[in-house]
Amino acid sequence: DTAVSQTPKYLVTQMGNDKSIKCEQNLGHDTMYWYKQDSKKFLKIMFSYNNKELIINETVPNRFSPKSPDKAHLNLHINSLELGDSAVYFCASSSASSGTGAQHFGDGTRLSIL
Amino acid sequence: AQRVTQPEKLLSVFKGAPVELKCNYSYSGSPELFWYVQYSRQRLQLLLRHISRESIKGFTADLNKGETSFHLKKPFAQEEDSAMYYCAARDRQGSSNTGKLIFGQGTTLQVKP
Repeated sequence: DTAVSQTPKYLVTQMGNDKSIKCEQNLGHDTMYWYKQDSKKFLKIMFSYNNKELIINETVPNRFSPKSPDKAHLNLHINSLELGDSAVYFCASSSASSGTGAQHFGDGTRLSIL
Repeated sequence: AQRVTQPEKLLSVFKGAPVELKCNYSYSGSPELFWYVQYSRQRLQLLLRHISRESIKGFTADLNKGETSFHLKKPFAQEEDSAMYYCAARDRQGSSNTGKLIFGQGTTLQVKP
């Protein structure tokens, strides 16, 4: 009954590779987010989608491309991985117009670049 | 620029002692303020919102607009309170909840027996 689930939980890969992280939520939310948590535990928004439309796009290299096939999914594709991409990536979701507006987070995907 | 600051990276207290985790914000307008908590090996989860003025697990947080602070307090810390705590702020956008959360750097609370 996991609310926001991300796969994979761990991802170890070499520099230069392309990889994807998937996120799904079963809360009926219409807004989804990707956050990056660096080695100092600092959390920063990367992207947000509302009803499959991009509404927040922070200063993120264009090697990062989010894709939202439907309201319940927001995937993150990363091209040409670099050492600095090593981090924990969190997916989150919320309802734009109802409830508390609190964001519900996934467990995170720990990406390690060798 | 919008900013949330948590000046303490680590706060270590003994069980039963009072706890105050500091949070200051720099925002234009009147943002919504939140506290999120991440227990060991668990996901980040909402602890408190300033709008609801609630007490969760004995924690309270009062918004002080004059000091632009939203400190998290608990009168008697428990060992199970040990976790990473994040203060976060979001622009109010009418009735929409789609604004991005700006997080502070996080404070690790360590409650010793």
